[in-house]
Amino acid sequence: DAGVIQSPRHEVTEMGQEVTLRCKPISGHNSLFWYRQTMMRGLELLIYFNNNVPIDDSGMPEDRFSAKMPNASFSTLKIQPSEPRDSAVYFCASSLATLSPQHFGDGTRLSIL
Amino acid sequence: AQTVTQSQPEMSVQEAETVTLSCTYDTSESDYYLFWYKQPPSRQMILVIRQEAYKQQNATENRFSVNFQKAAKSFSLKISDSQLGDAAMYFCAYLNFGNEKLTFGTGTRLTIIP
Repeated sequence: DAGVIQSPRHEVTEMGQEVTLRCKPISGHNSLFWYRQTMMRGLELLIYFNNNVPIDDSGMPEDRFSAKMPNASFSTLKIQPSEPRDSAVYFCASSLATLSPQHFGDGTRLSIL
Repeated sequence: AQTVTQSQPEMSVQEAETVTLSCTYDTSESDYYLFWYKQPPSRQMILVIRQEAYKQQNATENRFSVNFQKAAKSFSLKISDSQLGDAAMYFCAYLNFGNEKLTFGTGTRLTIIP
């Protein structure tokens, strides 16, 4: 079975550009999570969805960040405009149900120049 | 708010030996889950083991086992017969009943010495 699929694996772009990260959760999973990993702050939950509905976005850093889940098999995390401090590895994870283990994608390494 | 503390930034162990990674957490809840995730250089986050707080029996998965001490809020990971492929960052994580927010520790980097 395919795991959580994230694209792109690497993204390098200039400050001010719009960045879109994509995620396909495991089929049948009802919850989807976006995390950010940096050396300074470790792994932080940005937002999570349950049945395509955003449940908690308290971890989203600021209005430049937005996330959508238009259907059960696709989600995006968008940063507009991007800034160098947004450079990090962004992970998407999904779980079958509440309190089930979360399965992570391979992450997107984002570098903002 | 829940916090997870991993006090060992780095650990090393000889191949085939046993190593224990420490984790403590702080919560006022009685029902929760605890996890250990492994992150090798490939960057994947791989679930190693899970413990339900209501279970007194310690979880085991092949060479991996935990020592769960609920009263002490301690959740250590023991790796037996260490292998070169065990080299990775190991993260302890807490999940509260009632929501799905995983709280991670800062990680322990494990080196396996051949």
